[in-house]
Amino acid sequence: DVKVTQSSRYLVKRTGEKVFLECVQDMDHENMFWYRQDPGLGLRLIYFSYDVKMKEKGDIPEGYSVSREKKERFSLILESASTNQTSMYLCASSFGGQPLSQYFGPGTRLLVL
Amino acid sequence: AQKVTQAQTEISVVEKEDVTLDCVYETRDTTYYLFWYKQPPSGELVFLIRRNSFDEQNEISGRYSWNFQKSTSSFNFTITASQVVDSAVYFCALSETRNFNKFYFGSGTKLNVKP
Repeated sequence: DVKVTQSSRYLVKRTGEKVFLECVQDMDHENMFWYRQDPGLGLRLIYFSYDVKMKEKGDIPEGYSVSREKKERFSLILESASTNQTSMYLCASSFGGQPLSQYFGPGTRLLVL
Repeated sequence: AQKVTQAQTEISVVEKEDVTLDCVYETRDTTYYLFWYKQPPSGELVFLIRRNSFDEQNEISGRYSWNFQKSTSSFNFTITASQVVDSAVYFCALSETRNFNKFYFGSGTKLNVKP
């Protein structure tokens, strides 16, 4: 079974803090993704990565950065957290090539005070 | 403009009722893929089905069925004899040839199945 894990289920941070969200997958997937999910807006892509050290901006990259130093790990970084970044963050991974299904982690619910 | 529209924000049914979740998409590509995902209260999205644009056959899997109609750009999902365990948020997604790793998700439909 594909397993995508995220470092925290719930996180509370203060405005201005630097926040790291970690995602690890165990299926040797080339692709990894970070989404945020907000009511009424569905899932919106923040960043994705096709390979180690490769990254591409998604639809809403502002205020975020990412890091992929190892194939299995994809980190999302909020350089200076703001209240409008309070959201559910979902990580996903998939094999490269054809658009096979993306496999999702359980999500991290982030609250920025 | 939204590429994937799920007009039904929330639906409530009583157990054993049939329910259809609507999905309308927009794309200029001739080759594309459509997906349905289920997000139960635990939060993890679960893959249900993938369909490519060349395969318009309807699909049935147990109580689930999918109706793909290119003429109306729709990919609707029907649950027959719904059960309480079907309660979840369901997302429809589109992937296009120009960048098929990028998924466009609809806003989701929350299904409440009451006993």
